[in-house]
Amino acid sequence: KQEVTQIPAALSVPEGENLVLNCSFTDSAIYNLQWFRQDPGKGLTSLLLIQSSQREQTSGRLNASLDKSSGRSTLYIAASQPGDSATYLCAVRLRNAGKSTFGDGTTLTVKP
Amino acid sequence: DAGVIQSPRHEVTEMGQEVTLRCKPISGHDYLFWYRQTMMRGLELLIYFNNNVPIDDSGMPEDRFSAKMPNASFSTLKIQPSEPRDSAVYFCASSRETGNSGANVLTFGAGSRLTVL
Repeated sequence: KQEVTQIPAALSVPEGENLVLNCSFTDSAIYNLQWFRQDPGKGLTSLLLIQSSQREQTSGRLNASLDKSSGRSTLYIAASQPGDSATYLCAVRLRNAGKSTFGDGTTLTVKP
Repeated sequence: DAGVIQSPRHEVTEMGQEVTLRCKPISGHDYLFWYRQTMMRGLELLIYFNNNVPIDDSGMPEDRFSAKMPNASFSTLKIQPSEPRDSAVYFCASSRETGNSGANVLTFGAGSRLTVL
């Protein structure tokens, strides 16, 4: 059974700092990995999806990397802003599976 | 594209009542997922469909929960009878398996917040 872990559960940084969020998974036979953002009381917004054959994906100030052999993905946020404050979740989908397993998320607070 | 549409956005009901949550997936998407989110348990997959067929309902907590997808553009999640512990936010999500752009991206609706008194 795939287990997905996100550590730390919460992170607070000053505005402008570069930061890394972590996602670990136990089964490396993945199909893809997706990073989401969730604002309080809202739904999940997709940020980046990395296919199994890819090593990283970039969108604006966000960069997600994937290392299947070590069972890790990181989400790098450059020059953080207060508007980046949210909970970030990763979801891992295994090969031959239609569903994804979610981590519990990291709640990020960027202080002005 | 209007995205994944869920209704109602908020539902307050009394214990024992039937609750029906509705979802319209993105047109052309062949996978539909129902999730439940609580502070205690996080995001849990309840059931998912592929081409309107239920594939995995192992996350459905008990027989009080049922889900249907009568066609490609509509799904329901029903709780009967409802209990206070069913209070949560229920999300519907959809994705498509093929295509050059956007394939496999899981897109969520805004959720239905259920409160059972």
